[in-house]
Amino acid sequence: EIVLTQSPATLSLSPGEAATLSCRASQSVGNYLAWYQQKPGQAPRLVIYDASNRATGIPARFSGSGSGTDFTLTISSLEPEDFGVYYCQHRYNWPQTFGQGTKVEIK
Amino acid sequence: DVQLVESGGGLVQPGGSLRLSCEVSGFTFSRSWMSWVRQAPGKGLEWVANIQQDGIEKYHVDSVKGRFTISRDNAKSSLYLQMNSLRVEDTGVYYCARDQEGKDYWGQGTLVTVSS
Repeated sequence: EIVLTQSPATLSLSPGEAATLSCRASQSVGNYLAWYQQKPGQAPRLVIYDASNRATGIPARFSGSGSGTDFTLTISSLEPEDFGVYYCQHRYNWPQTFGQGTKVEIK
Repeated sequence: DVQLVESGGGLVQPGGSLRLSCEVSGFTFSRSWMSWVRQAPGKGLEWVANIQQDGIEKYHVDSVKGRFTISRDNAKSSLYLQMNSLRVEDTGVYYCARDQEGKDYWGQGTLVTVSS
C-alpha cells in the first residue's frame, strides 16, 4: 500500500497570502495524483487531477506540480472561500489511498 | 445537471447488514468507473471500493474485503454497496463518486452508524 504523507498538518494564513501544501508518496505514483478540497459538512471537491491539471471550474490561482513521490498544491493568493481541508489521493495502483489532510485556516 | 444521490444509511448493530445505493443522473453512468469513499466522524477520507464500467472488475480496500461488495446496475444508473458483518469502525459518512482521472462528481453522502 502506498502511503501519502501531507505537510503541514495545519496552515494558518491570511487572505491574499500564498499557500503551499505538500504531499509525499512512499513510492512513485507517476503523475497519478489528485487534490481535493473539503469544507465542513460538504462532500470533497476535485481541485487538481494527474498532478497538474485543474478540474472544471477551479480558478487559476490553484496550481499543482510534481511527479514520482513529491507533489505540491499552490494557491497563489488565498480567497476566503479557499479555507478548508485539502487531501491528496493517488490512483497509481490498488488500493487507492488518501493523505491525512492539510487544514488551511484563517489566521 | 449532474446528481449523485446516496441512500440506505442508518443505525445498525455490530454484525448487521446495510445496502447503500447511489442513483446517478446527468452523465453517462454506463461509461464511468465509480467509487465509494467513506469518512469516519472527525477523520479523513478513506477509499472503500471501485467498480469498472461493465461491473466485472472490482476492487475493495483490505479492511472490507469479504464483508462489503460493490456492484452496479447500468440500466438503472445506480451504484450499490452491500455491507455485511458491520463493525463499529465502519461508522461514517459514505460517499459515491465518479472516478475519471480524479473523482470529479460526488454525492452528498449517507451516514452509517454501527452501534449497540
